[in-house]
Amino acid sequence: KAGVTQTPRYLIKTRGQQVTLSCSPISGHRSVSWYQQTPGQGLQFLFEYFSETQRNKGNFPGRFSGRQFSNSRSEMNVSTLELGDSALYLCASRLLAGGNEQFFGPGTRLTVL
Amino acid sequence: SQQGEEDPQALSIQEGENATMNCSYKTSINNLQWYRQNSGRGLVHLILIRSNEREKHSGRLRVTLDTSKKSSSLLITASRAADTASYFCATEDFGNEKLTFGTGTRLTIIP
Repeated sequence: KAGVTQTPRYLIKTRGQQVTLSCSPISGHRSVSWYQQTPGQGLQFLFEYFSETQRNKGNFPGRFSGRQFSNSRSEMNVSTLELGDSALYLCASRLLAGGNEQFFGPGTRLTVL
Repeated sequence: SQQGEEDPQALSIQEGENATMNCSYKTSINNLQWYRQNSGRGLVHLILIRSNEREKHSGRLRVTLDTSKKSSSLLITASRAADTASYFCATEDFGNEKLTFGTGTRLTIIP
């Protein structure tokens, strides 16, 4: 069974631009979560989607948004990029909305210049 | 915000020795999970322990959970160079299914 895939793997943007990251979960998994990882703040939860509905949201500004499609694939968007948005963005999928382990993708390394 | 605080932040041991990492958290949880991350890559799930469980084993890994102290430990026995990685605990709260990760322990195994 194929794992979680994320595209692109690396991305360089400039301040003020916007970016869209994509995540394809493991086949059959209906829950997709997004995390931001930085050296200073560690792993921070962004949001979780289950069956196209956002179930949880972390403490991030409205510039961070996401969605999930009917095939469970998910995208997250960051508008008006800031230098502090440079991070590794990780996507994870799981079979159910809770009570089970998450399977992570390799991440998208975003650099904002 | 981070739920779990891990201790120590960094640990270096000789290959073959045992490694113990601790995690403390603040709220009532549904389960606690341990993950491993090799440098700059995605996380790999190791073990999930539910709030009504006290100990769980998986190969060379042993996890304990003490809900009265709001703490968990991960023991890796007979360490190998390939165990070099960062280890994170993550808690899933009751009624809120998001995972909240700890600060991580950086483990280095010296050959």
